[in-house]
Amino acid sequence: DADVTQTPRNRITKTGKRIMLECSQTKGHDRMYWYRQDPGLGLRLIYYSFDVKDINKGEISDGYSVSRQAQAKFSLSLESAIPNQTALYFCATSDAGQGFDEQFFGPGTRLTVL
Amino acid sequence: AQSVTQPDIHITVSEGASLELRCNYSYGATPYLFWYVQSPGQGLQLLLKYFSGDTLVQGIKGFEAEFKRSQSSFNLRKPSVHWSDAAEYFCAVGATSNYQLIWGAGTKLIIKP
Repeated sequence: DADVTQTPRNRITKTGKRIMLECSQTKGHDRMYWYRQDPGLGLRLIYYSFDVKDINKGEISDGYSVSRQAQAKFSLSLESAIPNQTALYFCATSDAGQGFDEQFFGPGTRLTVL
Repeated sequence: AQSVTQPDIHITVSEGASLELRCNYSYGATPYLFWYVQSPGQGLQLLLKYFSGDTLVQGIKGFEAEFKRSQSSFNLRKPSVHWSDAAEYFCAVGATSNYQLIWGAGTKLIIKP
């Protein structure tokens, strides 16, 4: 089984709809991240969480919210989706050990907002 | 502010040829540097990282990278590429202010048979 899973893998929705993307991990890591990837822009951090009670905004948090339901689960919500939120979304995890531990990525969710 | 530049959007090399992917960073102190690979339809996987010490770093899949402080570079190399190396490669620098990664835009590697 994959260590970091994301659901759904693909989603097409309409402008104004509320969307939730889910991430689960079995690695036992405390730190979890949500990124979006756009062609030519690399990865940009949306939100990150260093433990269950810790939520931090990243570079591009506007229009997004997150919930850390448990150590293993970190959900990303788009309250009212808009077309420029069409992107590939990745969840990642890392250990809390030494500041810059390796990040382990899920397979991604491709979101299209019409 | 910290930043990462990958000057090449695409690179095409023949199978068996050598490879060098460029990465330049902007950072005031000793950087924490990373190379990740994204195979088609998959998430990212760490190839190698540099924190300190020997400036030539060995990674997985036969890749290596060299940290050159004077050039603010951390270029990725492989002596002989295989068709399975076709992927997108991302360089990243660690921001010590919040322990986050700043990512380059990526370089897509295309392998010619």
